Amino acid sequence: AQSVSQHNHHVILSEAASLELGCNYSYGGTVNLFWYVQYPGQHLQLLLKYFSGDPLVKGIKGFEAEFIKSKFSFNLRKPSVQWSDTAEYFCAVNASASGGSYIPTFGRGTSLIVHP
Amino acid sequence: DTAVSQTPKYLVTQMGNDKSIKCEQNLGHDTMYWYKQDSKKFLKIMFSYNNKELIINETVPNRFSPKSPDKAHLNLHINSLELGDSAVYFCASSQDAGRDEQFFGPGTRLTVL
Repeated sequence: AQSVSQHNHHVILSEAASLELGCNYSYGGTVNLFWYVQYPGQHLQLLLKYFSGDPLVKGIKGFEAEFIKSKFSFNLRKPSVQWSDTAEYFCAVNASASGGSYIPTFGRGTSLIVHP
Repeated sequence: DTAVSQTPKYLVTQMGNDKSIKCEQNLGHDTMYWYKQDSKKFLKIMFSYNNKELIINETVPNRFSPKSPDKAHLNLHINSLELGDSAVYFCASSQDAGRDEQFFGPGTRLTVL
């Protein structure tokens, strides 16, 4: 079964600091990769996604992620965080399964706190 | 124009009771999901339906029973509620048999006393 690892469980930064959140997955087949964000008290929203093509994908609010196939990684980055980026960040992998469907697996999440 | 809606938003009940959570999506998606998010924010998939057919059924006690009357609805019924069932339950939907991104509902916070 596939698994998704997020190595940083809690990250605390000051505004304007750079951010990188790690995500590794274990699955050898076709995968689609996602980062979701959950702001306090809200539901999950998509930040960005990767299906194919350019491994560097750009998302909303200045976030980007790089897919490195050889490392099974999909790390999230932002050059300069803001207080409003305080949230939970989830890496997710949709892996192909039998019957043409895809099974989603989420990482445990990273709690990001940005101090003003 | 809520894309994925859930009712109720909050649910407080006693141990042993039976309760249901309803989910509806107006996005025309084929696939719907139920997730449980525990107090540590860990998001675990419980069930998934594609075109009203159950395609994912994770290791969940059989006290939990999903029902999909049509593509736009996926309800979750829980029998004999236990303290450990306290969590936030999220419904989600996606297109293309789950290949694409998921759209999440606002969540239902279930508290079992």
